[in-house]
Amino acid sequence: AQSVAQPEDQVNVAEGNPLTVKCTYSVSGNPYLFWYVQYPNRGLQFLLKYITGDNLVKGSYGFEAEFNKSQTSFHLKKPSALVSDSALYFCAVRDGDQAAGNKLTFGGGTRVLVKP
Amino acid sequence: DGGITQSPKYLFRKEGQNVTLSCEQNLNHDAMYWYRQDPGQGLRLIYYSQIVNDFQKGDIAEGYSVSREKKESFPLTVTSAQKNPTAFYLCASSRVSRSDEQFFGPGTRLTVL
Repeated sequence: AQSVAQPEDQVNVAEGNPLTVKCTYSVSGNPYLFWYVQYPNRGLQFLLKYITGDNLVKGSYGFEAEFNKSQTSFHLKKPSALVSDSALYFCAVRDGDQAAGNKLTFGGGTRVLVKP
Repeated sequence: DGGITQSPKYLFRKEGQNVTLSCEQNLNHDAMYWYRQDPGQGLRLIYYSQIVNDFQKGDIAEGYSVSREKKESFPLTVTSAQKNPTAFYLCASSRVSRSDEQFFGPGTRLTVL
């Protein structure tokens, strides 16, 4: 079975400081990993994904994420946070092993609050 | 929210009534999904479909039904058998490729009165 954990319910950061949102995963095969952002009463917006290749993935709005196979992690980062980055962030995983099915499993979400 | 539309944005239902949530996409995606989101929780998969006239149950299908008669449309019916239907419902679509991301609609907030 595949699973995702986002250990922090909320992350508080001052504007201009680095932002990190943590994600760890568990799959039986190789992982396909995704990050999404959700603003209040809106759908999810895709930020970035890791499928294969370079462990550092760059995405939308200045976000990036680093895949670490040994630590089974895929933390989301932004070098300098903006107040407008305040939102709910979701990590998701799909097992790359086709026998595992096509289901995408989401973490519980991390609320980010960027203070001016 | 891309090329996916959901209607209505807000829906109120009396206990014992069935209601249908609409989801339409113009992205030419084969796969479509329905998720339920409760406050402070992640997304839980209700149903998904990878091809017209075929769909599979997700993790919490009880009390829900779907149809996929057209590639563009994947309506969700919340039946009276769903004991706690008040939630935010999200529809998504994607290509069938396992490496492709899902695109989400703006959501429907259902409240049972």
